[in-house]
Amino acid sequence: EVQLVESGGGLVQSGGSLRLSCVGSGFSFNDYSLTWVRQAPGKGLEWVSYISSGGGTIYYRDSVKGRFTISRDNAKRSMYLQMSSLRADDTAVYYCARGAELLDWGQGTLVIVSS
Amino acid sequence: DIQMTQSPSSLSASIGDRVTITCRASQGIRNSLAWFQQKPGKAPKSLIYAASTLQRGVPSRFSGSGSGTEFTLTITSLQPEDFATYYCHPYSDFPRTFGPGTKVDIK
Repeated sequence: EVQLVESGGGLVQSGGSLRLSCVGSGFSFNDYSLTWVRQAPGKGLEWVSYISSGGGTIYYRDSVKGRFTISRDNAKRSMYLQMSSLRADDTAVYYCARGAELLDWGQGTLVIVSS
Repeated sequence: DIQMTQSPSSLSASIGDRVTITCRASQGIRNSLAWFQQKPGKAPKSLIYAASTLQRGVPSRFSGSGSGTEFTLTITSLQPEDFATYYCHPYSDFPRTFGPGTKVDIK
């Protein structure tokens, strides 16, 4: 069974930093790209960042460029999102998802940025 | 950037109804489109990818069609567990985006 488990969310002050993790199991981790998607309270889904299977290709949405860094460690079956200079509008549930088609999703981790 | 419109934004339907949701892309995306279902407080769930391929475990009452710029998600014979919000997602290019969602509730 494919599983993705996010962790690392929490309450942080505006301007602060947080590191999210996503651990995958039940599939060949090395073979799949991974994506972070977020959802602000009461809002729709918002694509955040993408990393290819080997980590060599990375993309970000404009609003997080220069503030967020995506990475992965295939040996640890893990993906990360280092978030800095956090703003109130980064408040959201952050999900990780597998593959270009977002075939499987984790349960999400909540990030609250207080101003 | 690819912009997605989704219609309707919400609909009310009865058990057993046929429901159709449409997504339109601002430029051609071939068949690189996925559909997701999300229930309140839960993570999105993949229903369809490559415009018409049913994800494993998804009931056959769900189907997808289209290519290029216009896509549809159809639910034949709506069931109680299908009341949710549905999103489309093009994955042909970066930055990625999502449709704004269609909320399906009980009439």
